[in-house]
Amino acid sequence: NAGVTQTPKFRVLKTGQSMTLLCAQDMNHEYMYWYRQDPGMGLRLIHYSVGEGTTAKGEVPDGYNVSRLKKQNFLLGLESAAPSQTSVYFCASGSSYTFGSGTRLTVV
Amino acid sequence: AQSVTQLGSHVSVSEGALVLLRCNYSSSVPPYLFWYVQYPNQGLQLLLKYTSAATLVKGINGFEAEFKKSETSFHLTKPSAHMSDAAEYFCAVSRYGGATNKLIFGTGTLLAVQP
Repeated sequence: NAGVTQTPKFRVLKTGQSMTLLCAQDMNHEYMYWYRQDPGMGLRLIHYSVGEGTTAKGEVPDGYNVSRLKKQNFLLGLESAAPSQTSVYFCASGSSYTFGSGTRLTVV
Repeated sequence: AQSVTQLGSHVSVSEGALVLLRCNYSSSVPPYLFWYVQYPNQGLQLLLKYTSAATLVKGINGFEAEFKKSETSFHLTKPSAHMSDAAEYFCAVSRYGGATNKLIFGTGTLLAVQP
């Protein structure tokens, strides 16, 4: 039982490149969330999903897209990365928020 | 709109001393309240949560928090700090009975424990 798994753990992108972050959970949770964590700002909600096939915008959705094609997976995409998207990204699932270990993304 | 304010971005205590981390919330509806801990280079781990049952909530690792509606507070305490408690702590609020269960986080308090 792995809980919430995020891949990759680290990534460096050049400005304008695209990438997808994967979040997988094996707890049959309906709710899944993507947050970004920046120093002094806590965690801010990017997008979330209340079930397979559904997604919704959070507090800071600009520059990101998401998909929830399968209940266990929640993908976060950056179509054209910008230095402002340098951050640590966390996925969480369930009503009490089981968190993954994060993806540290640097955009240069 | 809901929000939480954590007073003190850095708190330092001596080993064995009382730990008190402050959290005040703002919510127009009855809230659910949470405390999470984050160790370096790790995700967040749930310490405890208030969901409108008992106002004094006990969590893991000897931590507890008391919901005080009159003060709109949910402060986290531990009677005796241990070196292993050094971490960042986040308070969070969500809407009671909300369909989306979105959590709004505070900006965090970094706890240092001095030997």
